[in-house]
Amino acid sequence: AQSVTQPDIHITVSEGASLELRCNYSYGATPYLFWYVQSPGQGLQLLLKYFSGDTLVQGIKGFEAEFKRSQSSFNLRKPSVHWSDAAEYFCAVGAGGSQGNLIFGKGTKLSVKP
Amino acid sequence: DADVTQTPRNRITKTGKRIMLECSQTKGHDRMYWYRQDPGLGLRLIYYSFDVKDINKGEISDGYSVSRQAQAKFSLSLESAIPNQTALYFCATSETGTSFYEQYFGPGTRLTVT
Repeated sequence: AQSVTQPDIHITVSEGASLELRCNYSYGATPYLFWYVQSPGQGLQLLLKYFSGDTLVQGIKGFEAEFKRSQSSFNLRKPSVHWSDAAEYFCAVGAGGSQGNLIFGKGTKLSVKP
Repeated sequence: DADVTQTPRNRITKTGKRIMLECSQTKGHDRMYWYRQDPGLGLRLIYYSFDVKDINKGEISDGYSVSRQAQAKFSLSLESAIPNQTALYFCATSETGTSFYEQYFGPGTRLTVT
């Protein structure tokens, strides 16, 4: 069965520092991969997606993610974190078949120190 | 105006009461989904609908029912609410076709069952 693991429950970085959030997935075929961000009290906003092609994908708000098939990973990165990036981040994989639903990781909460 | 709206945004109800959560969308998408979010568990799929006549159970449908009144409206009901249904509920939509995994979320309904 498909699954998504986000190993880090909570990460704290200093403002201006670089960020990498880890995501590992379990899926037999080429996956559809997503990163969503949830700001406090808000819904989920799509940051970026990978369907096929270039393994480095660019998203909104200066985020990028790299698909590495050999490592079954889709890590999210940002070169310089801003205080407004403090939020919870969810990695998700398409569940396969025609259902169209997503399998979500449990999330990584990002705190930003001034 | 938001593309995906949910009402109410917050609700407190008592054990045994029937409650309905509503979702409306203006994105023109055929597919709609209901997810539940619990702290530390990520999002889990309750029900999904591909069109008005096609409704399917998700991972955790027990204790819930849904109604797809129109392409734009998808309601989630708790027939007899219980405290472990206290959670944040999200509605999402997606297109039919190659982008069906790309989902757009509403702002969420925070439900508390006492």
